[in-house]
Formats: sequence, C-alpha cells, structure tokens
Amino acid sequence: GESVGLHLPTLSVQEGDNSIINCAYSNSASDYFIWYKQESGKGPQFIIDIRSNMDKRQGQRVTVLLNKTVKHLSLQIAATQPGDSAVYFCAERGWGNTPLVFGKGTRLSVIA
Amino acid sequence: EPEVTQTPSHQVTQMGQEVILRCVPISNHLYFYWYRQILGQKVEFLVSFYNNEISEKSEIFDDQFSVERPDGSNFTLKIRSTKLEDSAMYFCASSEERLNTEAFFGQGTRLTVV
Repeated sequence: GESVGLHLPTLSVQEGDNSIINCAYSNSASDYFIWYKQESGKGPQFIIDIRSNMDKRQGQRVTVLLNKTVKHLSLQIAATQPGDSAVYFCAERGWGNTPLVFGKGTRLSVIA
Repeated sequence: EPEVTQTPSHQVTQMGQEVILRCVPISNHLYFYWYRQILGQKVEFLVSFYNNEISEKSEIFDDQFSVERPDGSNFTLKIRSTKLEDSAMYFCASSEERLNTEAFFGQGTRLTVV
C-alpha cells in the first residue's frame, strides 16, 4: 500500500551543526508535504510545508527539499540548537479526500 | 496565538467503559480531525469532519467510535466499550481548508485503559 517512511529512526548532532532529516514517500499522487516537530508529551507542531510544484522552500533556520523524481523529502535545520531536540515527522497528502498520512518519525538529539 | 485545546490531558478508564475526549478547534477553522498515537509509534488518522458530518474515516474508526460537534465550539470523540489497545495519545486537529494547508494540533489526551 501507499506509505510514508523515514530512512533513520534516530539522529544525534552537535549543537551548532546542521541537521538533515530524510523521508521517503511512495504515493506519486502526493501533492502537499509537511514537516512536524513533536516534543515529549506534546502534539505535533507545524514547521514547514511544501507543495508538489516546488522543490525547495525556506523558513527560519529550516529548509525543506522535495525531489519528486525519487519521491524524497528532507528537512534541513541550520545551526541546530538544544531546543530542536524532538521527534520529527513528515506527512503527506494527496489530491481529493485523502487524509494527512504521517511517517514513523525521526528522533533528533542535540548534543551540547 | 490561537490554538487547539483538548481536555482532559490524561484520562484513565476501566476496560469496557465509555470515554469522551473533548476538543475546542481554532475558531475560524472549518475542518476537524482526530488522530491517535500509540506510544512510540506514528500518528494515525482516525476521522475528519466537515460541515457537521464525517468527511472520511480510517479502518481504525469503527462502530466503537463516534464524533460530534454538539455546539459551535466543541468537537468530541466518543469511544464506547474501551479496550486495552485503545490506550494511546489522541490528538485533535483543525485546519482552515481541506487541501494544501497545515493542520494545527492540540496537546493531546493521553487515554489509559486499565
């Protein structure tokens, strides 16, 4: 079936370094992608989104890259800070009445 | 900043009992959702709600579950005859539009069935 998944379950980075979190999706009809951050005991928090007609979008310290050819999505976090420690989920949605589908999550640990 | 609020934050119930989880979506949003997250697993879609009716639901959302918007602000998830495997975090979310906009999530209700 269609699925959204993540390459790595955990990622440890030094404070100040850049982080890259990857996500693979298999639904070629996916049209809209979101990265969420989830801190312990809290709900998913929107970070950044991208539509399928784009291949890159930048926010504050974050960049999302979309490669539709290989169905790959990545989240880059610049100058990673301790407050960035959390689980990061990619989520996708296709056209029409398709629900938001979440990937399994990557835990980012920032080492001070 | 507007936010989705959920109550209670933690609910403990005995197996077989009914629970109602409550949510107040962001006021100008039109689409409402329930998701659940079993400990350590990914967030799973349960149901979406628009214009006072269910717009879609997942396989998880069987006859044990129901949703309601009893007034202009609340959105509830009722789980009848709870089972041990219903223990999870339940998240409510809302969005302005159905397509191409993010869903804003509440802090969740941790349901523990004993």
